[in-house]
Amino acid sequence: DGGITQSPKYLFRKEGQNVTLSCEQNLNHDAMYWYRQDPGQGLRLIYYSQIVNDFQKGDIAEGYSVSREKKESFPLTVTSAQKNPTAFYLCASRTPGQRYYGYTFGSGTRLTVV
Amino acid sequence: LAKTTQPISMDSYEGQEVNITCSHNNIATNDYITWYQQFPSQGPRFIIQGYKTKVTNEVASLFIPADRKSSTLSLPRVSLSDTAVYYCLVGPNSGYALNFGKGTSLLVTP
Repeated sequence: DGGITQSPKYLFRKEGQNVTLSCEQNLNHDAMYWYRQDPGQGLRLIYYSQIVNDFQKGDIAEGYSVSREKKESFPLTVTSAQKNPTAFYLCASRTPGQRYYGYTFGSGTRLTVV
Repeated sequence: LAKTTQPISMDSYEGQEVNITCSHNNIATNDYITWYQQFPSQGPRFIIQGYKTKVTNEVASLFIPADRKSSTLSLPRVSLSDTAVYYCLVGPNSGYALNFGKGTSLLVTP
């Protein structure tokens, strides 16, 4: 089955550590996205990429970094510069140019700072 | 991108029809209206999409008036399992990221 795989499901980070969240899709989608969700809040855009080797900052990019070396993969690194990283992180993909424009989301990674 | 406004929360009893309205006054000609549903600790999932008039699928109906400045998601005969957050998104068919906002939290009770 096609879909988006996020790993790990739960992640614990110590103060001052960088951690990388994985996002892989086998849907052949061109665009990929990272969102952050805090309790009781909506989704806020961190980064997005419309094509390989290109990505743009979203509303809350500070303290995060991404890469898009392959169409299938869009990893997110939470750096030590992100002062409050505890949140639920969602990766999504989408195919522009087709009648069905919907996002497909992964199951999320819950990051906790310990 | 079009800004959307929807109620923060709604309550309903099982078996009732629920209508959630979204306002998008500055919708552009090439924008589509898409609704998503999110359960706790899961990613949102696509419910329905439309451009104008009415769209119906096995899950919901979407009503869009002629001026397209608002839209209404209609959930027929809701059950407890319809308790979720519902997001209204408005945007073009492109790779540009859409703003999910805070959505409408629907609580269905017996």
